[in-house]
Amino acid sequence: DVKVTQSSRYLVKRTGEKVFLECVQDMDHENMFWYRQDPGLGLRLIYFSYDVKMKEKGDIPEGYSVSREKKERFSLILESASTNQTSMYLCASRLSGSYNSPLHFGNGTRLTVT
Amino acid sequence: QQQVKQSPQSLIVQKGGISIINCAYENTAFDYFPWYQQFPGKGPALLIAIRPDVSEKKEGRFTISFNKSAKQFSLHIMDSQPGDSATYFCAARTSRSGYSTLTFGKGTMLLVSP
Repeated sequence: DVKVTQSSRYLVKRTGEKVFLECVQDMDHENMFWYRQDPGLGLRLIYFSYDVKMKEKGDIPEGYSVSREKKERFSLILESASTNQTSMYLCASRLSGSYNSPLHFGNGTRLTVT
Repeated sequence: QQQVKQSPQSLIVQKGGISIINCAYENTAFDYFPWYQQFPGKGPALLIAIRPDVSEKKEGRFTISFNKSAKQFSLHIMDSQPGDSATYFCAARTSRSGYSTLTFGKGTMLLVSP
């Protein structure tokens, strides 16, 4: 069974801090994604990566960056956290090569920026 | 163009009833339509999916109905059970910068009363 592990379940940070959200998957998936989930707004794609050292912007990349130095690990970086980045962050991975390969999500990191 | 509009935002159904969640889209480049189910404290997980060349797909109590000309698709949950209480997201697949990504609806919170 695919496991996507997000390093923190809850995180509280101060405005202006640099924040790292870590995600690791154990199934050798090529593709990895970061979404944020907000009530009434659904899941919105922040960044994705189709391979090591590769990254592409999603729908809401402003204020975020990512790092993918190893295939199994995809990090989301908030360069200077702001209160409007308080949200649930979900990491996902999928096997490439098939259009219907499902996304496998982690259980999320709930970030609060005060 | 990238939007997937989902309704209703929330739904209460009695045990044994039929739950119906609707989604609509504009972008004719969408070519695959999955539904994800999310329980509290967990990440979303693939429930069922359909391709646009098929009008209906059934898996157990879950059925997707797809109307290509109307650009609408819906999830029907027959004989709804309290264990079906969850948030449901419809999604649509498209190509972004040559890579496959999913655009999600805003979600429907389903409560099945005993």
